[in-house]
Amino acid sequence: DAGVIQSPRHEVTEMGQEVTLRCKPISGHDYLFWYRQTMMRGLELLIYFNNNVPIDDSGMPEDRFSAKMPNASFSTLKIQPSEPRDSAVYFCASSGGQASNQPQHFGDGTRLSIL
Amino acid sequence: SQKIEQNSEALNIQEGKTATLTCNYTNYSPAYLQWYRQDPGRGPVFLLLIRENEKEKRKERLKVTFDTTLKQSLFHITASQPADSATYLCALVGNAGNMLTFGGGTRLMVKP
Repeated sequence: DAGVIQSPRHEVTEMGQEVTLRCKPISGHDYLFWYRQTMMRGLELLIYFNNNVPIDDSGMPEDRFSAKMPNASFSTLKIQPSEPRDSAVYFCASSGGQASNQPQHFGDGTRLSIL
Repeated sequence: SQKIEQNSEALNIQEGKTATLTCNYTNYSPAYLQWYRQDPGRGPVFLLLIRENEKEKRKERLKVTFDTTLKQSLFHITASQPADSATYLCALVGNAGNMLTFGGGTRLMVKP
């Protein structure tokens, strides 16, 4: 079975540009999570969805970040305008139930560099 | 404030020995705890989940303990192999049940 698929794997862009990261969760999973990983702050939850509905976006750093899940098989994380401090690896994960009794399955991430 | 601490220094051990990694937390009452493995350039991969009423969980060469009094989880890999070299992350789940909070991870290096 295909795991969580993220695209692109790498993105290099200039400050001020719009960045869109994409995620396809595992089929049948009803939870989707977006994380950001940096050396300084580790792995941080940005937002998560349940049945395509955003449930908690308290980790989204500021209004420049937005996430959508138009259907069960696709989600996007958008940064507009991007800044150098947004450089990080962004992971998408999905699970078939609550984190209390279900593992999260991660994609291999998008390495984002903002120049 | 809530804090999850894992040893930020790399743990170097010899092949065949038991590796023990520590996850300590403060100002937190997790109902569940998970351990993940992360290889360079890859996403974390789930290993084990343990509930607060479970003292110990085993899976093949892996063993996890969860002591809610000490606010600590220990992760053991017995008969370690070079292929076990990776970063290991602990993650706490609160009673709300949906959100994981990750520790900073510990890098394990197993030398042949």
